[in-house]
Amino acid sequence: SAVISQKPSRDICQRGTSLTIQCQVDSQVTMMFWYRQQPGQSLTLIATANQGSEATYESGFVIDKFPISRPNLTFSTLTVSNMSPEDSSIYLCSVAGTSSNTGELFFGEGSRLTVL
Amino acid sequence: AQTVTQSQPEMSVQEAETVTLSCTYDTSENNYYLFWYKQPPSRQMILVIRQEAYKQQNATENRFSVNFQKAAKSFSLKISDSQLGDTAMYFCAFRTNTGNQFYFGTGTSLTVIP
Repeated sequence: SAVISQKPSRDICQRGTSLTIQCQVDSQVTMMFWYRQQPGQSLTLIATANQGSEATYESGFVIDKFPISRPNLTFSTLTVSNMSPEDSSIYLCSVAGTSSNTGELFFGEGSRLTVL
Repeated sequence: AQTVTQSQPEMSVQEAETVTLSCTYDTSENNYYLFWYKQPPSRQMILVIRQEAYKQQNATENRFSVNFQKAAKSFSLKISDSQLGDTAMYFCAFRTNTGNQFYFGTGTSLTVIP
């Protein structure tokens, strides 16, 4: 298993500002994933953060809006830029199980952002 | 394309009773993983149970079990002896054996009634 810590756990932000979410894992992982969960909705993958290369973004998400850093195998950040109320969501950091037999995702506690 | 469908947005069950949450999926893959995740109110999403598609035996974890019907592409979750702590959103998820992309259903909000 993996223990994932996210900061901040929640924040209230003003329109037009940017916020960076940090994700720390207690073990080295190749890929980290950033998901968005809008109120009452399911999870949508924003991007996959690869160490040593640029993040891979899913359709509908762009680097200018959601820049991601991955400086090492245990840490990543997601920035939500130029926020609007539509960005109010829970943002989840996750990693895949390191054992080839598990195949599961482990999640951080999430960062709940409210944009006014 | 892979899709996961949960047709029950909300369900409720009396404490100590049994409830079944439905999930269907669509894929052309033969090898894959299926998962049920639990997300309690304002808390972390955690894995409830996992099923490998190549295994015919249904997975069981204490009070949680699945009914995996590969031909029908169905993966339901049965919760026995429901407890108040089972109140949560439950997400069904799918992952291919080769990729790292997970596909989530829209979730079922389960309320256990005292």
